[in-house]
Amino acid sequence: EAGVTQFPSHSVIEKGQTVTLRCDPISGHDNLYWYRRVMGKEIKFLLHFVKESKQDESGMPNNRFLAERTGGTYSTLKVQPAELEDSGVYFCASSHVREAGYTFGSGTRLTVV
Amino acid sequence: SQKIEQNSEALNIQEGKTATLTCNYTNYSPAYLQWYRQDPGRGPVFLLLIRENEKEKRKERLKVTFDTTLKQSLFHITASQPADSATYLCALEGGADGLTFGKGTHLIIQP
Repeated sequence: EAGVTQFPSHSVIEKGQTVTLRCDPISGHDNLYWYRRVMGKEIKFLLHFVKESKQDESGMPNNRFLAERTGGTYSTLKVQPAELEDSGVYFCASSHVREAGYTFGSGTRLTVV
Repeated sequence: SQKIEQNSEALNIQEGKTATLTCNYTNYSPAYLQWYRQDPGRGPVFLLLIRENEKEKRKERLKVTFDTTLKQSLFHITASQPADSATYLCALEGGADGLTFGKGTHLIIQP
């Protein structure tokens, strides 16, 4: 089966610009998660979708971040306007049953300059 | 605040030996504990999940223990191989905020 796909793999934008990250989960996985790893820190939870509904967005840093999941399929994470501290690797993961763990994508490396 | 500690320094093990990685946590009562492997430029890959009422779990050359009294998990790789070299992440799950990860331990298996 195809894995979790993230696009783009890398993005370099200037401070103040807008960037949209995309995640295609494994087909049939109702649970979709966004995580972020800032350099030197651990991977941190951002939010959780169950199908198209936001189950938990307690990890979202601030209102410059907007996540959507259209029709319960792919998800986008928009950062507007981007700030320097938003730089990091953004991971998407999906899951179906807990015992199988989470399947992560390869991540999008975002650099804000 | 919740905190997960993993060996911050690289762990060097000779091929064929057993590698043991430690995950300690504080201010947390996880229902599940997971271990992931991460290679450079890639996302974490799920290895094993153990529940709070389980003491030990095995999968091929991997073994995980979970001691909720000590608040510690040990991750063992037996008959280690150079291909096992990677960063290993401990992650806890128990609340509504997804997984809480440690920083990971970089394991190097030397031929």
